[in-house]
Amino acid sequence: EIVLTQSPATLSLSPGERATLSCRASQSVSSYLAWYQQKPGQAPRLLIYDASNRATGIPARFSGSGSGTDFTLTISSLEPEDFAVYYCQQRSNWPPLTFGPGTKVDIK
Amino acid sequence: QITLKESGPTLVKPTQTLTLTCTFSGFSLSTSGVGVGWIRQPPGKALEWLALIYWDDDKRYSPSLKSRLTITKDTSKNQVVLTMTNMDPVDTATYYCAHLIQLWYFDYWGQGTLVTVSS
Repeated sequence: EIVLTQSPATLSLSPGERATLSCRASQSVSSYLAWYQQKPGQAPRLLIYDASNRATGIPARFSGSGSGTDFTLTISSLEPEDFAVYYCQQRSNWPPLTFGPGTKVDIK
Repeated sequence: QITLKESGPTLVKPTQTLTLTCTFSGFSLSTSGVGVGWIRQPPGKALEWLALIYWDDDKRYSPSLKSRLTITKDTSKNQVVLTMTNMDPVDTATYYCAHLIQLWYFDYWGQGTLVTVSS
């Protein structure tokens, strides 16, 4: 089973700042990685799939990069609505599909 | 537009079987390339994928839970049903169903249903 590790666990930033979130896989997942955003009491929302493709309706300030074992989600300038928990998910060697433990982006 | 909604009991007793129904609209599970999955999230914890089913009735399960899970579809009713046997308090979680994009990613999610396992 491929294990995903996310860092940092918590990222404290101010609106307008750049956020850089990391997801590392225990073995290569090629480019088969997605990112989700989850706000309290809500279902997750797909942001990025196949490492760098924005899902429908996702603002351009969200971008994904990486391949193999190291991936990054970048939010270029944080908006108030971006403070949430972010999860990565891989589908390379499955089942199972696996999710990372999440990174919480909170207001500094 | 695509919508999904989970339904089922909010409370089950240990050892009982949980049956959850996902009722969806805006797509058909008889269309090539379409799939629906189940994911759960214990309170305050991360997401865990459980199972998924494709338009051609191909079914995939989480290896760690495979012996307890069954996923089925009723195309005429636009429903997907997940059953989980031998429920335990550690199975307490919000259970989500979701539509699949690119066969493996979840682009539309239901609101989730909290299932508590307690005697």
